[in-house]
Amino acid sequence: GQNIDQPTEMTATEGAIVQINCTYQTSGFNGLFWYQQHAGEAPTFLSYNVLDGLEEKGRFSSFLSRSKGYSYLLLKELQMKDSASYLCAARSGADYKLSFGAGTTVTVRA
Amino acid sequence: NAGVTQTPKFRVLKTGQSMTLLCAQDMNHEYMYWYRQDPGMGLRLIHYSVGEGTTAKGEVPDGYNVSRLKKQNFLLGLESAAPSQTSVYFCASTKLGRDNEQFFGPGTRLTVL
Repeated sequence: GQNIDQPTEMTATEGAIVQINCTYQTSGFNGLFWYQQHAGEAPTFLSYNVLDGLEEKGRFSSFLSRSKGYSYLLLKELQMKDSASYLCAARSGADYKLSFGAGTTVTVRA
Repeated sequence: NAGVTQTPKFRVLKTGQSMTLLCAQDMNHEYMYWYRQDPGMGLRLIHYSVGEGTTAKGEVPDGYNVSRLKKQNFLLGLESAAPSQTSVYFCASTKLGRDNEQFFGPGTRLTVL
């Protein structure tokens, strides 16, 4: 089976930086995804890593180490609208199935 | 483009009743997926399809059936609903190719009494 672990909750101040860690154990791994989900809404795509290293997209960056089974999502210059759940998902197999972690709820305080 | 749409948005069932959830996508995506999301457990894959006429089981398929008669539609059926099936159901689709993400529908909130 698949095992995806991430912290349950994190709190940070507006303007600060927060790093959400994710570890995974997935057979047939072929990509790591991060999604953002606001309460009562659908998950929306944030980032994707398939090779080791850092991918930067504006205020959001994501890092992957395949040998360590580890990824992180870095949120910079936090805004109140960034308060949401962040889902780590490991993709495997030719069917492109995603295995999700339980999500990390980030609360941004003024 | 509407993207991924789901019908209905909300539904309340009594134990033993049946229903079908409809997912439709207008992006010509090959792959479609049904997930359920429960508090503290994240999204879990129920069934998925890699093309018209084909379906496969995911992580939690028991109590559900699916059909993909048309490429754009993916139906999830509950033959005899149970309270344990109370959840939020999300449909997702993706295009064939390594670098493509899954797009999610708005979800269906189902309560089984």
